[in-house]
Amino acid sequence: DVVMTQSPLSLPVTLGQPASISCRSSQSLVYSDGNTYLNWFQQRPGQSPRRLIYKVSNRDSGVPDRFSGSGSGTDFTLKISRVEAEDVGVYYCMQHTHWPFTFGPGTKVDMK
Amino acid sequence: EVQLVESGGGLVQPGGSLRLSCAVSGFTLGSYWMSWVRQAPGKGLEWVANIKEGGSEKYYVDSVKGRFTISRDNAKNSLYLQMNTLRVEDTAVYYCARGGGRDVYTSDYWGQGTLVTVSS
Repeated sequence: DVVMTQSPLSLPVTLGQPASISCRSSQSLVYSDGNTYLNWFQQRPGQSPRRLIYKVSNRDSGVPDRFSGSGSGTDFTLKISRVEAEDVGVYYCMQHTHWPFTFGPGTKVDMK
Repeated sequence: EVQLVESGGGLVQPGGSLRLSCAVSGFTLGSYWMSWVRQAPGKGLEWVANIKEGGSEKYYVDSVKGRFTISRDNAKNSLYLQMNTLRVEDTAVYYCARGGGRDVYTSDYWGQGTLVTVSS
């Protein structure tokens, strides 16, 4: 199985400041069709996961443009340009290139 | 509006069975892969099973193979997860999610989840 790792696992943030989460996969996530199937999710306390980013860098509808995704191959990053209070929660990366699909362990983002 | 509503969770003894359902609306179920994802209390997310649009392909995480069966009834706009020989470690909130293939729809919509507790 593809192992997804994230760092840091805990990220204290300051309102208005940038934040960055790294996600690494144990093997390349480039599929034979040329696409890289790497998603990012936000899970606020007590809520279901919400997809933020699909295929590495495509923002979902309604997701604020302060969220951005980048990366390739085995190294990926989720960035928040200016953290807002509503961004508190746990962030997961997930690959759906290889069966079984796998998630990272999650990065808990909270206010300093 | 896309909606996914899970039901069927509850308390069951180890070795018991449970059938989860996911009722969908706002999109044509038969046009999408569908998935079940679970989250143990205080833990991260784990992909459990996927099923292709017509049901011809199904995939499972190793820990549930031979015990869980994913199925669907597109005419009834419903997805199912039959869980047999349940173990304590299957205790989790189970989410259904739209998508589950290599496409742009995978996990774009989630239900609110249903809690399964396996305990004696």
